[in-house]
Amino acid sequence: KAGVTQTPRYLIKTRGQQVTLSCSPISGHRSVSWYQQTPGQGLQFLFEYFSETQRNKGNFPGRFSGRQFSNSRSEMNVSTLELGDSALYLCASSPGGTSVYEQYFGPGTRLTVT
Amino acid sequence: LAKTTQPISMDSYEGQEVNITCSHNNIATNDYITWYQQFPSQGPRFIIQGYKTKVTNEVASLFIPADRKSSTLSLPRVSLSDTAVYYCLVGGIYGGSQGNLIFGKGTKLSVKP
Repeated sequence: KAGVTQTPRYLIKTRGQQVTLSCSPISGHRSVSWYQQTPGQGLQFLFEYFSETQRNKGNFPGRFSGRQFSNSRSEMNVSTLELGDSALYLCASSPGGTSVYEQYFGPGTRLTVT
Repeated sequence: LAKTTQPISMDSYEGQEVNITCSHNNIATNDYITWYQQFPSQGPRFIIQGYKTKVTNEVASLFIPADRKSSTLSLPRVSLSDTAVYYCLVGGIYGGSQGNLIFGKGTKLSVKP
């Protein structure tokens, strides 16, 4: 089974721009979660989508948004980029549907904001 | 929200057993405890998950006391390839901890020859 894939792997943007990251979950997985990882804050949960609906949301500003398509692929969008948005953005998928949370992470997208 | 506290770093030698403890005093009734391993430039990898008592799989054991306010990840006979950051995660999808998933800061384990 193919793992979680994320595109692009690396991205450089300028302050004020917006960016869209893509995640393809493991086949059959219906839940996709997004995380931000920085050296200072560690791994922080952004949001989770299940069957095209946002099910959980972390404590991030509204500039961070996402969506999930009918094939479970997900996109994350960050608008009006700030320097502090520079981070590794990780996507994780899981079968979903239960409270037991075993997630499979992708390799991440390294976003640099200049 | 159930926050977690872990040691920032630990050192060990090959062949030793390593125990990493995570504190989660405010864990909610519906929360599960999950541990992940992360190597540099890679996404975290699931190690083990439990709700109470003891869980064991082919790579680790997880000990959870009755009050569930802490948990201990046990890695038997570590090798150099176990050098990584280990994260303790407390949360659930519905009910527990308001649905937010909380990662600890992680414990950087260094295994020496």
